[in-house]
Amino acid sequence: AQRVTQPEKLLSVFKGAPVELKCNYSYSGSPELFWYVQYSRQRLQLLLRHISRESIKGFTADLNKGETSFHLKKPFAQEEDSAMYYCALSGRTGNQFYFGTGTSLTVIP
Amino acid sequence: GAVVSQHPSRVICKSGTSVKIECRSLDFQATTMFWYRQFPKQSLMLMATSNEGSKATYEQGVEKDKFLINHASLTLSTLTVTSAHPEDSSFYICSARMPNTGELFFGEGSRLTVL
Repeated sequence: AQRVTQPEKLLSVFKGAPVELKCNYSYSGSPELFWYVQYSRQRLQLLLRHISRESIKGFTADLNKGETSFHLKKPFAQEEDSAMYYCALSGRTGNQFYFGTGTSLTVIP
Repeated sequence: GAVVSQHPSRVICKSGTSVKIECRSLDFQATTMFWYRQFPKQSLMLMATSNEGSKATYEQGVEKDKFLINHASLTLSTLTVTSAHPEDSSFYICSARMPNTGELFFGEGSRLTVL
């Protein structure tokens, strides 16, 4: 069963433009949602998680339980934001951790 | 941030042999570790959840006899690909869950090539 859906495999925006990476999830119960980022030639690292409700590197994501979405947003994209972004879901027990298919973001100078 | 180390980073083996990949959390104790497989230009596919001191929980479609997972200590989980075949060639990534925060920290990945 597809638990995390990222509809866009590739996304290109110009520097300074707003960016939104979409993520929808399917899970019975109350999951935890995360965004992970992978910069070129680096390992995956946590960008942000919904329970902390913080902004990291200008990115924010709000959990919308009605729409089962956790879209990642940034008002002004920077070149250094170019990377692979993965939305991820964890069950409350912590014994499952699933990733979406990822979105490759390219910020055009 | 916390460090998770995977070894080896690259391994080439002959078909029919077994290969062991280690995943270590270097500066924290991880009761839960996850093993993923990543195909080129695709996402991470969860293979199994490894809990210290108990049997791993495998995802549907993952052969537990082929991909043996052992989590013998709070800092080490191993994945053994038994009787490897060329179709097992892939990038295997482990992650360890920080107990207090639940955050996952990832290893650098291990690229397996089966000839």
